[in-house]
Amino acid sequence: DGGITQSPKYLFRKEGQNVTLSCEQNLNHDAMYWYRQDPGQGLRLIYYSQIVNDFQKGDIAEGYSVSREKKESFPLTVTSAQKNPTAFYLCASSIRATNEKLFFGSGTQLSVL
Amino acid sequence: AQTVTQSQPEMSVQEAETVTLSCTYDTSENNYYLFWYKQPPSRQMILVIRQEAYKQQNATENRFSVNFQKAAKSFSLKISDSQLGDTAMYFCALTMEYGNKLVFGAGTILRVKS
Repeated sequence: DGGITQSPKYLFRKEGQNVTLSCEQNLNHDAMYWYRQDPGQGLRLIYYSQIVNDFQKGDIAEGYSVSREKKESFPLTVTSAQKNPTAFYLCASSIRATNEKLFFGSGTQLSVL
Repeated sequence: AQTVTQSQPEMSVQEAETVTLSCTYDTSENNYYLFWYKQPPSRQMILVIRQEAYKQQNATENRFSVNFQKAAKSFSLKISDSQLGDTAMYFCALTMEYGNKLVFGAGTILRVKS
């Protein structure tokens, strides 16, 4: 079945540690996105990529980094510079742009130890 | 900048009844797209319905329909014959015609009661 796979489902970060969230898609989509969801708030865009080896900052990119070395993969690293990383992180993809349907992964809940 | 506002943090409805969720938005663009996404307790985001701003006809998907009022910048979602499986957080979202950003509202929690 085609879709988006996020791992792990739960992740714990110690202070000063970098952690990486995985996102893989087999839909052959060009565009991929990372969103952060906090309780009582909507989704906020962290980073997006419309093509391999290229990505752009979203609205809340500080403290995060990404790479897009393969079309299928768009990992997100939460660095130690992100002082409030506890949130639910959602990866999504679309064929080319956001005026199309977004396909979402099942999310990763990141918590600080 | 584009903004999306959902003024109802929580709503409830009896099974089999109809409920309407409100959404207003702001944009200076003329061509854009509006969406309703559903997030059930599993937290998996699912597209409910999509509306293209240049189409005057309101979009429908089975029990789900929208009331799109472009001049008023309003985009409400009507759920008919509510089912227990409709219990979820519903997000209204906006993007431009050739957009790369989908802007979400804060969401409305809908509880369907038996």
